Order: sequence, then C-alpha cells, then structure tokens
Amino acid sequence: GENVEQHPSTLSVQEGDSAVIKCTYSDSASNYFPWYKQELGKGPQLIIDIRSNVGEKKDQRIAVTLNKTAKHFSLHITETQPEDSAVYFCAVFGTQKLVFGQGTRLTINP
Amino acid sequence: KAGVTQTPRYLIKTRGQQVTLSCSPISGHRSVSWYQQTPGQGLQFLFEYFSETQRNKGNFPGRFSGRQFSNSRSEMNVSTLELGDSALYLCASSTDTARVGKLFFGSGTQLSVL
Repeated sequence: GENVEQHPSTLSVQEGDSAVIKCTYSDSASNYFPWYKQELGKGPQLIIDIRSNVGEKKDQRIAVTLNKTAKHFSLHITETQPEDSAVYFCAVFGTQKLVFGQGTRLTINP
Repeated sequence: KAGVTQTPRYLIKTRGQQVTLSCSPISGHRSVSWYQQTPGQGLQFLFEYFSETQRNKGNFPGRFSGRQFSNSRSEMNVSTLELGDSALYLCASSTDTARVGKLFFGSGTQLSVL
C-alpha cells in the first residue's frame, strides 16, 4: 500500500521566518496531495492541496510544491506568525483512501 | 454552513463494552470517512461510506463497523472494547468520494477505554 514519510517531526522557527515541511510517497499513481493543520482539541483542517497535473500552488503565505518524478511534495509557510503554531499533516490519495504522514509539530517563537 | 458535527465529544468506557459514535456531515456532502488518531500510529483510515454503501475499508478488526443513513449521517460502532481502542475518532465528509473530494473533518470523539 501507499507509504508516506513526513519530515521533520518537530520544527521550531522564529516569528517572521519561513518554515518548510517535506513528504515523500511511494505510489507513483497517486494524484492528490492535501495538507492539513491540526490545532489542539480540533480536527485537521484542510489548508492547501495540489493535484498531480500542477507543480506548484500558492495561497497567500502558504505554498505547496510537487515533484512527481521524485515522488515528494513540500509545504512552505512564509512570514510565520504565532497562529501558525500547530501540527501539520501531509496526505496522499493512494489505494482508494487518503494516507497521512506522521505529522510535524511547528512552533513559532516570538 | 455548519461544519461536520461529531457526538459525543468525550466518552469513557470499560473493556468489553461497546460504543457508538455519531457523525453529521456538512449539508450536501454524501461521503463520510472515519479515521482513528493515536499518538503512536497517527491517522489511520477506518472506512468510507458513500450513499449508504461502504466504499472502502481499512485494516481494522471486525469489531469496528459503521453505517450510513439516507440523510448521509453516519455512525461507527466498536464492540468488545480493548484498552488499545483508546483514541480520537475523527469523521470527515466530502461532496464526492475521497478520491476527488476535499475532506472536511469534525473535532472528533475522544474515547478512553479503562
């Protein structure tokens, strides 16, 4: 089945700096790659997604890049703010279900 | 538009008991998926229902079951509870199957098995 690796597991950055989280996947047939943000006591919230016919997508301070040849995709957050502190999950649609990475705990230091 | 609603928010059960969790999807969404979230295993797919039919099932024992009603509301049942079933159970809805639709998650039901 699909295997998704997410790195790093924890990330601490200064407010205003950029943060990058990377994921790799195994199934070359996968074609949908969403990113979720989970805050304490809440369910995951979709923040951005990309489909396999697009290499990059941007939404304000958040961007996702996809390299299908290398089977990896990344989340980029620029000008980080305290409210960006949360756990972030990448996911891949493979074998008819969404498979999640293990999560990255992002901490923004003031 | 109201989001995905899961009830109850918290549950405490003892080993051997059974439990039923409820999920009301976003209005107009026909697909409901269930996930188990634990610190050690992360987010694990349980099953997906679309128009009252189970579309896909994850690698969980038969003690875990679900169903979907004609109004798209879904329930999940766990029988003969074990300590390892303690987890956050998340429900997500989508306009279409998870293959093409974006998943919107509820806040989950936190189940503790004592």
